[in-house]
Amino acid sequence: EIVLTQSPGTLSLSPGESASLSCRASQRVYSSYLAWYQQKPGQAPRLLIYGATTRATGIPDRFSGSESGTDFTLTITRLEPEDFAVYYCQQYGDSPYAFGQGTKLEIK
Amino acid sequence: EVQVVQSGAVVKKPGESLRLSCQISGYGLSRYWIGWVRQVPGKGLEWMGIIYPRDSETRYNPSFEGHVTISADNSITTAYLQWSSLKASDTAIYYCARHVSLAAFDVWGRGTLVTVSS
Repeated sequence: EIVLTQSPGTLSLSPGESASLSCRASQRVYSSYLAWYQQKPGQAPRLLIYGATTRATGIPDRFSGSESGTDFTLTITRLEPEDFAVYYCQQYGDSPYAFGQGTKLEIK
Repeated sequence: EVQVVQSGAVVKKPGESLRLSCQISGYGLSRYWIGWVRQVPGKGLEWMGIIYPRDSETRYNPSFEGHVTISADNSITTAYLQWSSLKASDTAIYYCARHVSLAAFDVWGRGTLVTVSS
């Protein structure tokens, strides 16, 4: 069973800055099947990135995903006020398709 | 446009049974799965399991297997999440989402709040 560990737990930044969110897998993720989701209060999660690096439909190019071995990164450049939310990674290569515990991106 | 429509909020007592529904519309019968995700208020997302409506193949998170049952009716593109005996610890929001093999959960429902209290 793959365990995903996200860091940091909370990230405090200002609009216009760049954010780097980490997701480390306990073992290799099959076929880079790693997704990132954004969740705002009172809303369902929204898919941002799948396949570790592919943006979902309608996601601005300020959001990008990268992969290095078992380390995955979500980078958000030029932070907008609407980007402050909780972000989760999820691996969907081997069942159970676990989520990470989340990173809260808050306004500094 | 693909839509995921979930049943409404419910309040139940411990020991009662419950079945939640999730219908996917706006998309033909095709090769996708339907999954369930739990979120206890104020906490993170927990993957419960997924089902392939075409043949009802199901994959469970071991943490939930035996306590919930995931099923589907392919003719009406609807999936279900069922408990035979609820516990107070089942109080949570339950999300349903379409799972596409290459793209994970790409379309989500709005969630169903389940409150279990005596």
